[in-house]
Amino acid sequence: EAGVAQSPRYKIIEKRQSVAFWCNPISGHATLYWYQQILGQGPKLLIQFQNNGVVDDSQLPKDRFSAERLKGVDSTLKIQPAKLEDSAVYLCASSPERGREKLFFGSGTQLSVL
Amino acid sequence: GNSVTQMEGPVTLSEEAFLTINCTYTATGYPSLFWYVQYPGEGLQLLLKATKADDKGSNKGFEATYRKETTSFHLEKGSVQVSDSAVYFCALRIGDMRFGAGTRLTVKP
Repeated sequence: EAGVAQSPRYKIIEKRQSVAFWCNPISGHATLYWYQQILGQGPKLLIQFQNNGVVDDSQLPKDRFSAERLKGVDSTLKIQPAKLEDSAVYLCASSPERGREKLFFGSGTQLSVL
Repeated sequence: GNSVTQMEGPVTLSEEAFLTINCTYTATGYPSLFWYVQYPGEGLQLLLKATKADDKGSNKGFEATYRKETTSFHLEKGSVQVSDSAVYFCALRIGDMRFGAGTRLTVKP
């Protein structure tokens, strides 16, 4: 079975520019997550979708970050405008349902903001 | 809120040494507990899990037991190898997944 797909793999932008990341979860997985992993730290949840609805976005900096999952399948995460402290790996993960089972992670998008 | 606290690293061991990485959790309710591993240049992958108290998860020689009385899920391996060098993350899940800060393990030949 295909895994979680993310693109791009790497992105370098200057501060105040905008950037978007794309994620396609495993087919049939209802729950999709975006995590931010800053170098040397554990992944931090940004937003969680159940199908096309937002379940938890309490840690998403909504003044600059936005995310959508319009058809309940793939998702995009956008940052506008980017700040230096947004430099991190952005991980997408999915699971069959919102519950207790493991997450399947994509390879991530490494963002460098200069 | 729900969270995990894990032993700070880095941890450096010689090959065949015994490994323990401590992890404790705080949760409302009864979470599932996980250890994820991130090898250099790779994404996170599940190492082992336990879904209820007293369960033992095991994989690749690693073990961890879900201890409700001490709210712990310590990772152990009896004899580490150079190939075990990686960052290890403890995590809990009730609905969403919360991760610890990670512990970097380096095993020297």
